[in-house]
Amino acid sequence: NAGVTQTPKFQVLKTGQSMTLQCAQDMNHEYMSWYRQDPGMGLRLIHYSVGAGITDQGEVPNGYNVSRSTTEDFPLRLLSAAPSQTSVYFCASSHTGGVGNTIYFGEGSWLTVV
Amino acid sequence: GQQLNQSPQSMFIQEGEDVSMNCTSSSIFNTWLWYKQDPGEGPVLLIALYKAGELTSNGRLTAQFGITRKDSFLNISASIPSDVGIYFCAGLKGGSEKLVFGKGTKLTVNP
Repeated sequence: NAGVTQTPKFQVLKTGQSMTLQCAQDMNHEYMSWYRQDPGMGLRLIHYSVGAGITDQGEVPNGYNVSRSTTEDFPLRLLSAAPSQTSVYFCASSHTGGVGNTIYFGEGSWLTVV
Repeated sequence: GQQLNQSPQSMFIQEGEDVSMNCTSSSIFNTWLWYKQDPGEGPVLLIALYKAGELTSNGRLTAQFGITRKDSFLNISASIPSDVGIYFCAGLKGGSEKLVFGKGTKLTVNP
């Protein structure tokens, strides 16, 4: 995948623990976003950002925080993990500006909350 | 939240057969994208469509942007085992940066 790096690849958390999923891109993309993927549900948007200092909620934001202090990085924070947050998380990035943009995905982070 | 209606959910075909899948919505989209996801990987863009009626090919893959702007179709001709995976449609509305996904079509190709 072109230039979107996610860490960690795999993580197991206990209920109530906090953690941060890291996402970085080196393509100078303005737009970054986080999705979660659950069986039979496709990809659902958690939070997104159209530029440094700007974030907004997606379809399923509850239980997650984000920040965008730099263009390159867009971390996703779970403040108090719950079993319902067991999922595969994908970070994505693209240039903004509408038609013609290609959205690139990271390779995913597999999170299990026990 | 809105998701696109993608069908079929799964397909089991023989190598060499052609495949068709589609996505529909009650809303108009300005951009349609088709992705393929292999196990343990993130989605990879296959084809992007930007105009109503547009027909675009990428090798054995052909996708069309519906005239009504509410649907899109993906065809795979002469399937091969490496076509196995989950195919997702995704749409972008005008003025929005938020990509909406279908639930995916899981393709199995029997040699």
